[in-house]
Amino acid sequence: AQKITQTQPGMFVQEKEAVTLDCTYDTSDPSYGLFWYKQPSSGEMIFLIYQGSYDQQNATEGRYSLNFQKARKSANLVISASQLGDSAMYFCAMREVPKTGNQFYFGTGTSLTVIP
Amino acid sequence: EADIYQTPRYLVIGTGKKITLECSQTMGHDKMYWYQQDPGMELHLIHYSYGVNSTEKGDLSSESTVSRIRTEHFPLTLESARPSHTSQYLCASSDPTDSNQPQHFGDGTRLSIL
Repeated sequence: AQKITQTQPGMFVQEKEAVTLDCTYDTSDPSYGLFWYKQPSSGEMIFLIYQGSYDQQNATEGRYSLNFQKARKSANLVISASQLGDSAMYFCAMREVPKTGNQFYFGTGTSLTVIP
Repeated sequence: EADIYQTPRYLVIGTGKKITLECSQTMGHDKMYWYQQDPGMELHLIHYSYGVNSTEKGDLSSESTVSRIRTEHFPLTLESARPSHTSQYLCASSDPTDSNQPQHFGDGTRLSIL
């Protein structure tokens, strides 16, 4: 079974609008971390936001927020007020600590295009 | 600020050549990783290391090899490059003692084998 599932291969959003990128995960560990990365066309991986499995509040970092629904095992990324520079690939990742000795798992990514 | 460096950034080279992709980090992280990624596609873990003298194969079979003689250095070698090795290679590191921390990535090496 896939550890991380991103079901949206491509998304389009109008500039200044908000967009939600979906991510679901699969783990039986009680302790885990969830991460989102941005990868522009230049290829580097940029860390955006982190959510811990025990965190009560949804994580926020500037225009990025993580909609964490633990019972549904979902960790959707919300980008508010989209900008042209947000056009990139976005990867959801999970870190399991107890069972797999600090292994990271990545989704297949979502390509976001911001339309002027 | 993460400090992980990959060289070269781009490499175009002929078939049959031996290639070493360099990766160094200054954060003292024990765990390091190599990923292979085709443009616009998912990341595939090809090698990782828990620390000095530790190397493990990842999920994707690869003809490359790695070594970890020093904590900060994790080079990847292709003994005889082929066109099928054309891809982007991303190096990463993480602190295994801090589960709140993400993987830190280098800028990647884009490899083209002619």
